[in-house]
Amino acid sequence: GQNIDQPTEMTATEGAIVQINCTYQTSGFNGLFWYQQHAGEAPTFLSYNVLDGLEEKGRFSSFLSRSKGYSYLLLKELQMKDSASYLCAVRDSNYQLIWGAGTKLIIKP
Amino acid sequence: SQTIHQWPATLVQPVGSPLSLECTVEGTSNPNLYWYRQAAGRGLQLLFYSVGIGQISSEVPQNLSASRPQDRQFILSSKKLLLSDSGFYLCAWSVPGQEVGELFFGEGSRLTVL
Repeated sequence: GQNIDQPTEMTATEGAIVQINCTYQTSGFNGLFWYQQHAGEAPTFLSYNVLDGLEEKGRFSSFLSRSKGYSYLLLKELQMKDSASYLCAVRDSNYQLIWGAGTKLIIKP
Repeated sequence: SQTIHQWPATLVQPVGSPLSLECTVEGTSNPNLYWYRQAAGRGLQLLFYSVGIGQISSEVPQNLSASRPQDRQFILSSKKLLLSDSGFYLCAWSVPGQEVGELFFGEGSRLTVL
């Protein structure tokens, strides 16, 4: 079967750095996405990785290792507004998105 | 700029009643359209997707149906709701043929079936 694993919940301190991991087992691979979802709201697109390596976008970076079936989202200089759930999704060989259950990130002052 | 709207935002329905959720996209033509359901502690579940008017693909057999009567309108329906239909429903669109093809989501509709 196809599976996306990410931690259920993480806690970090304002101003710090946090890394949210995602491991996947899918039928083929055509890209990995990270979305941010604030409570009660819709997910919004954060990043896309299709080749190995690090993609940086401001305070957020996303890393991919296809051989290990592994990605992480790195958030720097955490702000209170970063409190949200972070969803990892992989596009399989049929170009269908397989979604993880999301990681709820709690930021403390 | 492109926008997506879905409604209603919240609804409480009795078991056995009908359902209609609507979604419209503005500022683009011939988008791919999707209906997802999000249950607590689980990943987004794709219910239906459409690549054009009248073209609907169902991913999960159930008592829900979808229709695309116009290019930028996507409707999720049920004739008789079940308790298990409760959840957060999300409409989304994407640009066909793009390498990245990220999804743009509507505001969501929270359905409670009692």
